[in-house]
Amino acid sequence: SQQGEEDPQALSIQEGENATMNCSYKTSINNLQWYRQNSGRGLVHLILIRSNEREKHSGRLRVTLDTSKKSSSLLITASRAADTASYFCATDATGNQFYFGTGTSLTVIP
Amino acid sequence: DAGITQSPRHKVTETGTPVTLRCHQTENHRYMYWYRQDPGHGLRLIHYSYGVKDTDKGEVSDGYSVSRSKTEDFLLTLESATSSQTSVYFCAICGGFGANVLTFGAGSRLTVL
Repeated sequence: SQQGEEDPQALSIQEGENATMNCSYKTSINNLQWYRQNSGRGLVHLILIRSNEREKHSGRLRVTLDTSKKSSSLLITASRAADTASYFCATDATGNQFYFGTGTSLTVIP
Repeated sequence: DAGITQSPRHKVTETGTPVTLRCHQTENHRYMYWYRQDPGHGLRLIHYSYGVKDTDKGEVSDGYSVSRSKTEDFLLTLESATSSQTSVYFCAICGGFGANVLTFGAGSRLTVL
């Protein structure tokens, strides 16, 4: 399987706290992306980081990439109840073939 | 979900029957994908297409076939549905050429009894 894995599988935090989730993958990649899925909906793209980048920011999101460890992390700062969702990493290794991890379910308690 | 629609959104069928799911896009994107989503497995790639009549297998292609006769339509067919194919199926599109971001449809929930 080319799937990556997210860790933790589930995360529950209080509103205002930071949420960190991790992704490990198996092969060399061109880029890594994070997606969000609200219950019963399709996935929505959040952020993309290329293999030659180490860190990227977008609003309250911060993504890091360590290609030597084949891992990435997504940090959501100052979480809100509306951030409650599942988060998936996806790797693009061969050009336009995307393989997803197993996801982290985030619950933000108001 | 703008620009990409899946049909049907819900379907219940019996083991052994053929099923076709349709993905339609209005973005003129080159790449189209079918994924299935199951608890504990995340999303797994079934098949993808990189142009009209150009398709390739993903990691869980057994029991599935696809066709793409027009840029805008990508069909996923289960020739003889089995209970293990009960899942939520997502179609996604990507423009390619550096725009390596997927846009997903709303999903099709398939139940095979």
